[in-house]
Parts: sequence; C-alpha cells; structure tokens
Amino acid sequence: GAGVSQTPSNKVTEKGKYVELRCDPISGHTALYWYRQSLGQGPEFLIYFQGTGAADDSGLPNDRFFAVRPEGSVSTLKIQRTERGDSAVYLCASSDSPQETQYFGPGTRLLVL
Amino acid sequence: RKEVEQDPGPFNVPEGATVAFNCTYSNSASQSFFWYRQDCRKEPKLLMSVYSSGNEDGRFTAQLNRASQYISLLIRDSKLSDSATYLCVVKWGTAFSGGYNKLIFGAGTRLAVHP
Repeated sequence: GAGVSQTPSNKVTEKGKYVELRCDPISGHTALYWYRQSLGQGPEFLIYFQGTGAADDSGLPNDRFFAVRPEGSVSTLKIQRTERGDSAVYLCASSDSPQETQYFGPGTRLLVL
Repeated sequence: RKEVEQDPGPFNVPEGATVAFNCTYSNSASQSFFWYRQDCRKEPKLLMSVYSSGNEDGRFTAQLNRASQYISLLIRDSKLSDSATYLCVVKWGTAFSGGYNKLIFGAGTRLAVHP
C-alpha cells in the first residue's frame, strides 16, 4: 500500500519568507509525527498528533513553527519568518497507534537562503 | 550530554568483515530500543528492535544491557549493500501523554563497505 508522502520534496526560500510543508500519512494511521534532521545529525522530534489534536508539541523550537492536522489525516507544518538555521530535512512519520512502529516519509529538504 | 550517543564513525570495512556499533542512552526510563537504517538522502527505516535477551535477524544481532544503558549492533559478513548510516533509537513515554512514546535518535554511525 501507499506509504507516507510529503510535498514538496525540495523547497528553496529566502530568509524571512513563510513556508508550508505537507504530510500525507498512511491511510488509517491516527498518530502523526514531525521530525527535523540537520546535516550529520539524527532526526529530532518536533510535534506529535493523535487524531486532530497536538498531543505533544514540546519539540517545536520556537513560536515561528506551527503545525495543524484539521481532519485527522493530512498535516501541514508551517514556518514563519524563516531563518537560515531552519535549513534541514523535515520528516513526517505515522503509526497505527502511539505504541506502534513509526513509518517515515521521504522528507522535505528545506533550504533557506 | 546527549540522550543517545553513538560511535562517531565512519566505519570503513571490506566485504565479509564483522563490524560492531555501540550506543549508550541516558534516560533510565527508556522503554524500547531500536536500530534504524538510513540510506543517503532517504528516510530512516526500522532495521530491528533490541531486547535484553538479544535479537538476531540473519547477519544482524542486536543486544541491550539495561544495567549499563548500552545497546549494540553486530553485522557479520558485511555486504556492499550494508553501506548506510545506522541510527540508535530509544523510545520513552510520559505519564501525561496517554501512552504515547517519543523516539529519541542518536546522531548515527556511517558504515562504508568496500570491495
């Protein structure tokens, strides 16, 4: 079946701009996670959704970052006033339940110039 | 101190070699343990879970020592296709999170297998 999909696969933007990154989880998966992976590092947790609600947003670095999942399926990660330090691969994962294996999407490579 | 620390690598080994990766974690409340594999410019994929009793999957053997908070991965008879970054991962939940478990990743160890 279809895995987790993310769009766009690459995004280049200028410092100060607003970006939206989209994640389509595996159909039926109620749990959805966003991670950020900087060069040479492992993925770092950002936020976790159970259904439509953000159950844990403790990993969001600051208030420029926000994520939504209005219908409990697709999620959008929004970054305002982008900074060069936001450049990274943003990974989305989903799981059947919070205790089950997380399956990752291919990621969105964000480059802030 | 990072929550999950791994050998820095890279490990450059010939085909057929045996290679071992080590990992330590700082949170004694960690509940589950895994090795993920990540190919260049790809997403992480679950390689195997790690148990105190040891876990073997073909050429791969993973081991957990809870007392020492230490995790290992052994790869025997290395293949060219084993070249990748290996991520040590621990999972722990929080009392108020309704059973949700957060994945904490190490920085990864890169393996390069050459002919």
